[in-house]
Amino acid sequence: EVQLVESGGGLIQPGGSLRLSCAASGFTFSSYTMSWVRQAPGKGLEWVSAISGSDSTTYYADSVKGRFTISRDNSKNTLYLQMDSLRAEDTALYYCAKYRWTSAGEFDYWGQGTLVTVSS
Amino acid sequence: DIQMTQSPSSLSASVGDRVTITCRASQGISNYLAWFQQKPGKAPKSLIYAASSLQSGVPSKFSGSGSGTDFTLTISSLQPEDFATYYCQQYYKYPRVTFGPGTKVDVK
Repeated sequence: EVQLVESGGGLIQPGGSLRLSCAASGFTFSSYTMSWVRQAPGKGLEWVSAISGSDSTTYYADSVKGRFTISRDNSKNTLYLQMDSLRAEDTALYYCAKYRWTSAGEFDYWGQGTLVTVSS
Repeated sequence: DIQMTQSPSSLSASVGDRVTITCRASQGISNYLAWFQQKPGKAPKSLIYAASSLQSGVPSKFSGSGSGTDFTLTISSLQPEDFATYYCQQYYKYPRVTFGPGTKVDVK
């Protein structure tokens, strides 16, 4: 059974940093591109970042480029999102998600999310 | 970027109703379109991928159709557990996916 479990969220002041983690199990983690998707309170879904499984190529939404860094540790089956220079508009529930195929597709599995609140 | 729109943004329906939600892409995306269901406080759940393929375990009352720029999600007979928000997602620009704004289905 595929499981994705996020952690690391919390309350952080504007300008601060936070690192999210997503522990994966139930599939060959190193083979799959993984992604972070966020949802601001009462709002829709926004793709944030992705990282390929094969060579760790990274991709970012314009809204977070230069501030967020996605990475993975295939030996630990864990996905990360380092978030720096946080802003109030980064407040959201952050989900990690697995793409359906190893190099294509949409999301077939999602974690339950970890809440990031940016406020003074 | 590919923009996704959905209509309606919300609808009220009764148990047993047939419900149709429309999703439109700002450019052609072939059949690289997925549908998700999200209930309050829960993660999105995959329903449909490749525009019309049913995710394993999803009941056949859900169906999808379309290609190019226009797509639909149909729920053939709405049940109490189907009241939720539904999102479409394009993955033509994999891995840079984009979502529609969502359609909330609530009780009439």
